[in-house]
Amino acid sequence: DAGITQSPRHKVTETGTPVTLRCHQTENHRYMYWYRQDPGHGLRLIHYSYGVKDTDKGEVSDGYSVSRSKTEDFLLTLESATSSQTSVYFCAIGRQGSEQYFGPGTRLTVT
Amino acid sequence: QQPVQSPQAVILREGEDAVINCSSSKALYSVHWYRQKHGEAPVFLMILLKGGEQKGHDKISASFNEKKQQSSLYLTASQLSYSGTYFCGTEEGYQKVTFGTGTKLQVIP
Repeated sequence: DAGITQSPRHKVTETGTPVTLRCHQTENHRYMYWYRQDPGHGLRLIHYSYGVKDTDKGEVSDGYSVSRSKTEDFLLTLESATSSQTSVYFCAIGRQGSEQYFGPGTRLTVT
Repeated sequence: QQPVQSPQAVILREGEDAVINCSSSKALYSVHWYRQKHGEAPVFLMILLKGGEQKGHDKISASFNEKKQQSSLYLTASQLSYSGTYFCGTEEGYQKVTFGTGTKLQVIP
C-alpha cells in the first residue's frame, strides 16, 4: 500500500468554525489531491498540488483553501465550515499519466 | 464536467458477466478505473492511455475508444469479491482526473 495517511479520521465541528485536514505521504509523489465524496456525486476534486507551493483549483473549490509547504504534506482548510461541507474527504497522490493512490479518508460532520 | 457512467447499478449472480461504460464529451488523455468497497478508499484497477488500447487484469479488462471518448470495463465470471462501486476517471492531459458518479455492482450467490 502507498504510504498515505490522513488526519483526523473523523471530526465533528460546528458551523462557522475553521477546520484543517492533513494529508501526509511518504512516497515523494509530486502530485497531491483533495476530493470530497457525497452520495450521488462520486468523487469531486477540490484542489490539487503539482509541487511545493504550487496549487490549483478543482471543480468545487469555493470555501476551501490549501497549502503545501513540504512535499509530504498537503493541508485542506475550511475557513468557516458550513453544513454543506459535511462529507467524506479523500486525499490522493499520483504521478503524471499514472494511477492515483487514495488515503483512508476523513469523515467530517458540520453541525 | 463529470464523465457519464452507465448503468448506475447492477446486480449479478456469481459467474455472470457485466459491462460498465464511461463516456466523456471531451478529448481524453487517459481513462482510470477504480473500485471502492463500502467504507473504504477507492482502489486503482487500471489506466488506459490514448491509443485505443485494451488492458486486462485477471478477469477484469477494459477498453478505451479514443475517437468516441468512451471506455468500458468488462467483468467476466463475476465473484462475490467484485461487489463495490466502480468509478471511471477521465484525464484531459493536465493530471487532473475527473470522476464519474459511479456504478454500484452487487454480486450475489
